[in-house]
Amino acid sequence: GAVVSQHPSRVICKSGTSVKIECRSLDFQATTMFWYRQFPKQSLMLMATSNEGSKATYEQGVEKDKFLINHASLTLSTLTVTSAHPEDSSFYICSAREVQSTDTQYFGPGTRLTVL
Amino acid sequence: GNSVTQMEGPVTLSEEAFLTINCTYTATGYPSLFWYVQYPGEGLQLLLKATKADDKGSNKGFEATYRKETTSFHLEKGSVQVSDSAVYFCALTSYSSASKIIFGSGTRLSIRP
Repeated sequence: GAVVSQHPSRVICKSGTSVKIECRSLDFQATTMFWYRQFPKQSLMLMATSNEGSKATYEQGVEKDKFLINHASLTLSTLTVTSAHPEDSSFYICSAREVQSTDTQYFGPGTRLTVL
Repeated sequence: GNSVTQMEGPVTLSEEAFLTINCTYTATGYPSLFWYVQYPGEGLQLLLKATKADDKGSNKGFEATYRKETTSFHLEKGSVQVSDSAVYFCALTSYSSASKIIFGSGTRLSIRP
């Protein structure tokens, strides 16, 4: 149980294009999903907290117009990197927290974004 | 504010050696404590957790005990395997941090055959 999937697992795009990454909780409902960014050999950096049916809460320094987050249902959140540039290349990881849980998050396998 | 400090890596051990990765925390209130593992090219997997003082989390031969008196949650395994090679993250959540996960910096573990 408690499986989180991400799609795509890997994406390469040209500079200036937009890329959408999906995060799904497969066997549980998640009122809250989180989006992280991880640079090579570093820890995870929380980008934003996504609550179903409401606007996402972004961490300080994260551009909300650059990283659009939508949490349309209890099992799906999407992150769209708009007008991507090479510096947006990174490993993006989502996590989901069960409706009845206040502490445990389950992580997706991550999406490797490369912007040429 | 809340924070997690874990021993720096990389840690290199021989197969069947005893493993300890130290983790200490600073938090207000009563945090929940976690160890996550990240295998190369993958996302994080929850390895074990403990939600109150003196609780012991265990999974796959790994153990960690929530020590409130020393604010520690050290990860141990009696006999490591090559397949344990990964990056290990100590983490906490607490009501005072709005239940966001606070991660340590990660410890890279390499096991030699």
